[in-house]
Amino acid sequence: DQQVKQNSPSLSVQEGRISILNCDYTNSMFDYFLWYKKYPAEGPTFLISISSIKDKNEDGRFTVFLNKSAKHLSLHIVPSQPGDSAVYFCAASEDPGTYKYIFGTGTRLKVLA
Amino acid sequence: DAGVIQSPRHEVTEMGQEVTLRCKPISGHNSLFWYRQTMMRGLELLIYFNNNVPIDDSGMPEDRFSAKMPNASFSTLKIQPSEPRDSAVYFCASSLKGPGTQYFGPGTRLLVL
Repeated sequence: DQQVKQNSPSLSVQEGRISILNCDYTNSMFDYFLWYKKYPAEGPTFLISISSIKDKNEDGRFTVFLNKSAKHLSLHIVPSQPGDSAVYFCAASEDPGTYKYIFGTGTRLKVLA
Repeated sequence: DAGVIQSPRHEVTEMGQEVTLRCKPISGHNSLFWYRQTMMRGLELLIYFNNNVPIDDSGMPEDRFSAKMPNASFSTLKIQPSEPRDSAVYFCASSLKGPGTQYFGPGTRLLVL
């Protein structure tokens, strides 16, 4: 049973617009969340993280929002650029001090020029 | 500085054959992870080594899978005998310490016919 779900396998967005990637989780013990970005033929690379003590974390064009009561997080990319086209994975753990992350299945984002 | 190196990048084999995947972590990193990526299950942690010692192999699917880390700069993941359901992308990742940011290699795409 998937504890971390990314229900949209793909998403297309026009360049300059906002991209919103969603992630839902079922384990209420999850305390720390990550987003990874993956280009074709490359491994995933760390993008941004958020701890459950916060509901928002921002890094340049990337913002992650966490809604603990809904067990939902989202990654916003504003403005979207063609270079953002990639697969995005969310991941969760029960402890930021752990090595063990549960990953979602990924969402493929395509930013159209 | 070289990232995580994996070989081969692609492997096609027949059911029943032995498959060996190789990984060279980033120099100085003391934690190494093997993941498997499938469309249905996303990224799953197979095994975690710390200082060359297997710490958590609870994700290894069955006895057909084995992993070794004979020294700090080399690890192997072996599947014997391989089955079609083993077809997936296998990633190796390393981190400076267990809970740290994980750096992924480019992956090995395995197809078992």
